[in-house]
Amino acid sequence: QQPVQSPQAVILREGEDAVINCSSSKALYSVHWYRQKHGEAPVFLMILLKGGEQKGHEKISASFNEKKQQSSLYLTASQLSYSGTYFCASAAGGTSYGKLTFGQGTILTVHP
Amino acid sequence: DGGITQSPKYLFRKEGQNVTLSCEQNLNHDAMYWYRQDPGQGLRLIYYSQIVNDFQKGDIAEGYSVSREKKESFPLTVTSAQKNPTAFYLCASRGQGDVGQPQHFGDGTRLSIL
Repeated sequence: QQPVQSPQAVILREGEDAVINCSSSKALYSVHWYRQKHGEAPVFLMILLKGGEQKGHEKISASFNEKKQQSSLYLTASQLSYSGTYFCASAAGGTSYGKLTFGQGTILTVHP
Repeated sequence: DGGITQSPKYLFRKEGQNVTLSCEQNLNHDAMYWYRQDPGQGLRLIYYSQIVNDFQKGDIAEGYSVSREKKESFPLTVTSAQKNPTAFYLCASRGQGDVGQPQHFGDGTRLSIL
């Protein structure tokens, strides 16, 4: 089942903060975050693993609440380059190891 | 530089025609994936392969076929049975082992009906 993202869209001024949420009805092994610019391929941002370990890069942070099966992506002091569609993707583990189910996306627009 | 190459970038299909989308990677990754993306929507998994000569259906496999004869190649055929093939198709690969490995994507192929 597809993870649910909220909000569907966010509009910011440069320097403002944003939070994007991702929740799943299934137990999560890991949560992946990607950003996609219009017409381009998704770019990996971060992985959050069961047990609390976090992997990623860039100046963007995230949290993973295993009990609630939720993850949140935090973008602070937003830049124009942060504009795009953000996707979370859940991995169930086990025999589906490596298989991701993507959320519907959150459109982030940053204005000068 | 290592990466994933998808070709062609744009493809047009006639009614009743099968078309094949190419995906090649030189990252030495074992796992490869095909996704379909419709406008304003997320990515949906068509097929995936975790090892050569083996592949599994994803969530929307009907009307598509794949092969995995070589580690570096995972072509997708959109058959005439797929009645609504117009979409953006993305290929991805992933290294095995560490559970923290992300999927890396190619630049995509945009398929349209003539």
